[in-house]
Amino acid sequence: KQEVTQIPAALSVPEGENLVLNCSFTDSAIYNLQWFRQDPGKGLTSLLLIQSSQREQTSGRLNASLDKSSGRSTLYIAASQPGDSATYLCAVSKAGGSYIPTFGRGTSLIVHP
Amino acid sequence: EAGVVQSPRYKIIEKKQPVAFWCNPISGHNTLYWYLQNLGQGPELLIRYENEEAVDDSQLPKDRFSAERLKGVDSTLKIQPAELGDSAVYLCASSLEGYEQFFGPGTRLTVL
Repeated sequence: KQEVTQIPAALSVPEGENLVLNCSFTDSAIYNLQWFRQDPGKGLTSLLLIQSSQREQTSGRLNASLDKSSGRSTLYIAASQPGDSATYLCAVSKAGGSYIPTFGRGTSLIVHP
Repeated sequence: EAGVVQSPRYKIIEKKQPVAFWCNPISGHNTLYWYLQNLGQGPELLIRYENEEAVDDSQLPKDRFSAERLKGVDSTLKIQPAELGDSAVYLCASSLEGYEQFFGPGTRLTVL
């Protein structure tokens, strides 16, 4: 059974810092990995999707990398802003056509001015 | 283009009452997911549809939960009867095949 772990569970940083959020998974037979953000009381917003054949994806100040062999993905946030405050979740979908996603518990991020 | 639509946004009921949630996915998305999210946890898959077929419902408590996706578009998730432990956020998501998932705002259920 796939297990997804996100470290750290919570993070509080001053504005402007560069951040690294970690996601690890136990089964490397994945189809894709997706990063989301979730604001309090809201649904999930897709940030980046990495297919299993890819090594990284970038969108604006966000960069996500994938290392299947080590079962890890990192989300890099450059020049953090207070508006980045949210919970960040990663989800790993299993290979083989079933597309069953397994989520981590998330990293709760606070960026203070 | 409209995103995933869910209703209601909030629902408060007494235990043993029935409740239903509705989801309309993004147009053209053939795959629809229902998730349950407890506070401080990631979403857990309840059921996944490909078109109108439920292809994975192993996590759905079938004694009290049911779901349907008639015509392969919108979907309804029902709980009957609701229990205190069902209080959670119910999320709906859709995707084209198993590609990028897009989520709705969720329905927050409180069972008293």
